[in-house]
Amino acid sequence: AQTVTQSQPEMSVQEAETVTLSCTYDTSESDYYLFWYKQPPSRQMILVIRQEAYKQQNATENRFSVNFQKAAKSFSLKISDSQLGDAAMYFCAYRDPNFGNEKLTFGTGTRLTIIP
Amino acid sequence: KAGVTQTPRYLIKTRGQQVTLSCSPISGHRSVSWYQQTPGQGLQFLFEYFSETQRNKGNFPGRFSGRQFSNSRSEMNVSTLELGDSALYLCASSAQQGGQETQYFGPGTRLLVL
Repeated sequence: AQTVTQSQPEMSVQEAETVTLSCTYDTSESDYYLFWYKQPPSRQMILVIRQEAYKQQNATENRFSVNFQKAAKSFSLKISDSQLGDAAMYFCAYRDPNFGNEKLTFGTGTRLTIIP
Repeated sequence: KAGVTQTPRYLIKTRGQQVTLSCSPISGHRSVSWYQQTPGQGLQFLFEYFSETQRNKGNFPGRFSGRQFSNSRSEMNVSTLELGDSALYLCASSAQQGGQETQYFGPGTRLLVL
């Protein structure tokens, strides 16, 4: 069974600085999808960024980028120029690529605090 | 486009009762998944429906069930509620076009069982 591990329960960063959240996963599949979701306090979960395992290029979305290391099964999220609105729980998630399988396997989350 | 909506947003029930939660997906989305979020167990997959059929099921007891209607709206039901069923229940929808779809989440229904 696939597992996703986030080893940092909490992280903090100064506003405007850069922070990296870690995620490792375990799978026997060669093709799959990885996601970072953000869940602000009392607000709904939103997608931050996604990565297809067959793509070697790391995904980027504005201030958010990933470092995808397939051999190491590592998928870290880098947030540049941190803003107060980035404060949230961040969840790493895995999904295998089979059409018809929508199940996401989540990590336990990292609570990110932004220090003004 | 309107996002995923869930009703009710908050619910208080007592042990032994049953509860029904509703989820309306984004227009055009045919897949609806349900997740349970608790501080102890984190986010766990309950089940997924596509075209009124349950396609995948997580490791939850039979007290947890669901269904999907022809308009893609979905309901989940929990019977004989236990204290441990207190959680945030999240619904997510996707367009399911070619297996490369992103799931979009609703705001959740927070269930408290007393």
